[in-house]
Amino acid sequence: NAGVTQTPKFRILKIGQSMTLQCTQDMNHNYMYWYRQDPGMGLKLIYYSVGAGITDKGEVPNGYNVSRSTTEDFPLRLELAAPSQTSVYFCASSYMRAEETQYFGPGTRLLVL
Amino acid sequence: AQKVTQAQTEISVVEKEDVTLDCVYETRDTTYYLFWYKQPPSGELVFLIRRNSFDEQNEISGRYSWNFQKSTSSFNFTITASQVVDSAVYFCALSEVTSGTYKYIFGTGTRLKVLA
Repeated sequence: NAGVTQTPKFRILKIGQSMTLQCTQDMNHNYMYWYRQDPGMGLKLIYYSVGAGITDKGEVPNGYNVSRSTTEDFPLRLELAAPSQTSVYFCASSYMRAEETQYFGPGTRLLVL
Repeated sequence: AQKVTQAQTEISVVEKEDVTLDCVYETRDTTYYLFWYKQPPSGELVFLIRRNSFDEQNEISGRYSWNFQKSTSSFNFTITASQVVDSAVYFCALSEVTSGTYKYIFGTGTRLKVLA
C-alpha cells in the first residue's frame, strides 16, 4: 500500500499559469480532501469529495476546481495562478464518514511568482 | 461557529521534561470528533489520536496522553519525558457534520522544540 501519493512535490508557477496537482490513494477510501497550509498556519479545507462524481466546497475554494471521476484520484486544478496561492497543498483520504481519521499525502509545495 | 484554538504558538523544553499542549474548541453540535496530528520537520502529517464527543475517557499511549474535558471544551495533549524526536508542530482538529455539511477545522498548531 502506497497510501496517499501526491505529484509533483514542488512546483514554481508564473502568475496566470495553470496546473493540476495530482492525488491518488490506494486504500479504497470514499472520502478525499484537499487542504492548503500557509506558512505558520494550520490547514484549511479547499474541496472535498464523498465519492466518485461528488464534490463539495470547503472553507477556501476560490481559485480552485476539482473533479472525482474515480475512487482513487482527486486532482486539484488551479486555472489562473496568483501569488496568494503560494502554499503547501495536502491531499487526504478517509474510509467512509467525515469523522474518521484522515490519511495525508506528503504535500505539494507551490510557489507562484 | 466552529473554532479550534491552540494558544501556544511555540514551546521549548529540555529533553526529559513533561510538556502539555493545549487545545480549546468551540462547537454547537453534540456529536463531533477531535483529533491530534503531528507534523515533523519533514512536513508530512501523522495521525496521533481521535476522540468522539461521547467518550471523555482519558487515553494513554506510551509517553503520550490526552485529557478530554467537555466541561471546558478542551482536548489537551501531554508528552511525558520528552525526546528530541518529539520536536514537531502539533495540530488539534475538530470534525463535525452539521445539516449535511461537512466541516473539518484545524487549529493553527503548536511548535514544540525539545532541546538535548
